[in-house]
Amino acid sequence: DARVTQTPRHKVTEMGQEVTMRCQPILGHNTVFWYRQTMMQGLELLAYFRNRAPLDDSGMPKDRFSAEMPDATLATLKIQPSEPRDSAVYFCASGLVLGTDTQYFGPGTRLTVL
Amino acid sequence: AQKVTQAQTEISVVEKEDVTLDCVYETRDTTYYLFWYKQPPSGELVFLIRRNSFDEQNEISGRYSWNFQKSTSSFNFTITASQVVDSAVYFCALRDDQAGTALIFGKGTTLSVSS
Repeated sequence: DARVTQTPRHKVTEMGQEVTMRCQPILGHNTVFWYRQTMMQGLELLAYFRNRAPLDDSGMPKDRFSAEMPDATLATLKIQPSEPRDSAVYFCASGLVLGTDTQYFGPGTRLTVL
Repeated sequence: AQKVTQAQTEISVVEKEDVTLDCVYETRDTTYYLFWYKQPPSGELVFLIRRNSFDEQNEISGRYSWNFQKSTSSFNFTITASQVVDSAVYFCALRDDQAGTALIFGKGTTLSVSS
């Protein structure tokens, strides 16, 4: 049963600290998405990649957020420095451009910045 | 611009009742895809169904059914004989015809089913 995995599942940190979230997409999927879920904004796109190349990161605060795909099995989302307003659940999703192109979501990383 | 509206913020029903979750979408594309996801209390997002704009057939999967009507830009979701395990937040989402692009989500409908 192929699944998207995310680590850590929970992260509590203090303002100003660096946070790195990791995602392993489903093997063979060539698109990876990062979404953020908050009570106020709901689910919103932060960035996405196709074949490891960033296609759109317009949803990310550029000064503090960065997203990368070092290889096809790992996507990272980094926040430096973190702020309390970054507290949210961060979801990674992967999909296959060809075929059904459904996006399958990981379990999320719940981030709390104190 | 694309938009998904789920007007029902919260719905409460008693077990065995039928319930319909509404979804209205906006897009200028002629080819697009609609999705429903379920988010149970544990927090993960579970894919339920995908529909493309050329397929207006309604679909039934067990107690779940979906009614897609292009004329009203709606993609409603009905749960028949609801159960407590159906309690979750349900999201409707839209993607345009560019493969591999992001989903536009509605705000979600919280469904509470009591015994």
